Amino acid sequence: NAGVTQTPKFQVLKTGQSMTLQCAQDMNHEYMSWYRQDPGMGLRLIHYSVGAGITDQGEVPNGYNVSRSTTEDFPLRLLSAAPSQTSVYFCASSSTSGRRNEQFFGPGTRLTVL
Amino acid sequence: GDSVTQMEGPVTLSEEAFLTINCTYTATGYPSLFWYVQYPGEGLQLLLKATKADDKGSNKGFEATYRKETTSFHLEKGSVQVSDSAVYFCGGSNYKLTFGKGTLLTVNP
Repeated sequence: NAGVTQTPKFQVLKTGQSMTLQCAQDMNHEYMSWYRQDPGMGLRLIHYSVGAGITDQGEVPNGYNVSRSTTEDFPLRLLSAAPSQTSVYFCASSSTSGRRNEQFFGPGTRLTVL
Repeated sequence: GDSVTQMEGPVTLSEEAFLTINCTYTATGYPSLFWYVQYPGEGLQLLLKATKADDKGSNKGFEATYRKETTSFHLEKGSVQVSDSAVYFCGGSNYKLTFGKGTLLTVNP
């Protein structure tokens, strides 16, 4: 098992550019989520999904879109990047809603928006 | 909504010192509680967890007990090593996982 994979590992964007952060898991997990990690802020939930075709907003959803067309993939889209979106992004998955089960994290994508 | 408050660092200790990182949570019902560890340049890994009151999670010499009466889940280790240097996150989950802000631990030889 590869677990949770994320691509790219590093990305530099200019303000206004768009891009998609990829996340995939091979554990057949229903629940997937995206977090951003900023110094002094811990991890904040951006969007999450409880299964294919179902997504919902987390704590900081503005500026990000998600979709879940398959169980395996959960891409995060930045439609018009802003410097405030400079952060490290982590994708995670678990076998249920996460209440009693471990969330598995990807290695992260470090994004810089100039 | 649910919230997790943990001791903010940084925490610097000498090898073999005793470690405590405090964590308290506020939530409806009784969430599952977790400690995750993040080593430099890596993602988060589950360190230990507890799913109900009085449960004790333990792993790699770390322990934490789910205290319903004080809504706490403090992380402890009796003798830290240099290799324990990392950022530690407390988390709680009723449905969505909510994290504390993380505590940077540095252990010096």
